[in-house]
Amino acid sequence: EAQVTQNPRYLITVTGKKLTVTCSQNMNHEYMSWYRQDPGLGLRQIYYSMNVEVTDKGDVPEGYKVSRKEKRNFPLILESPSPNQTSLYFCASSEIGGGYYEQYFGPGTRLTVT
Amino acid sequence: GNSVTQMEGPVTLSEEAFLTINCTYTATGYPSLFWYVQYPGEGLQLLLKATKADDKGSNKGFEATYRKETTSFHLEKGSVQVSDSAVYFCALSDQGAGSYQLTFGKGTKLSVIP
Repeated sequence: EAQVTQNPRYLITVTGKKLTVTCSQNMNHEYMSWYRQDPGLGLRQIYYSMNVEVTDKGDVPEGYKVSRKEKRNFPLILESPSPNQTSLYFCASSEIGGGYYEQYFGPGTRLTVT
Repeated sequence: GNSVTQMEGPVTLSEEAFLTINCTYTATGYPSLFWYVQYPGEGLQLLLKATKADDKGSNKGFEATYRKETTSFHLEKGSVQVSDSAVYFCALSDQGAGSYQLTFGKGTKLSVIP
């Protein structure tokens, strides 16, 4: 089954404790992306990657890091989480090319930073 | 830059009522337009899309027409069901210009009561 998986689904942590949220897709997609969803703000892009070793900032990259060492994985790293990073996070992936390609979303990771 | 504005929610309707959720956009290029749906506790799923002016996207009884002259992509359904209760997001991307980023509206929560 084609899917995007994220782990963990729920995480409660404390300020400053480094954490990683994993994202994996089994569709051989080149493009992967991280969004955060906040009430009244919709979804905003954090980082994206066009292929292995190619990453770039989205609209709200501050406080986050990513890496793309393998095509299927795109982890989101919070080196020193703060309470304003409490949010619902979604990973997405798609093909790239000359036409339109649907983006597939993971189930979300709800992060609480106290 | 690109932006999407959709009607504020929440929207509460009785079963079998007519649904309209307004969406307008601002884009520098020729974007593709989407409606995504988020059911409680789940990730986003693509509901329908339109990739050029005057295209009509449709799925599960929902429809939306890409109106370039009014920069709109309103979502409609003739007879809603309780199972349609969800959050609906209007979004655009400018893949023709090489950008795969999805720009989302803030979301509209729909509740359908029996």
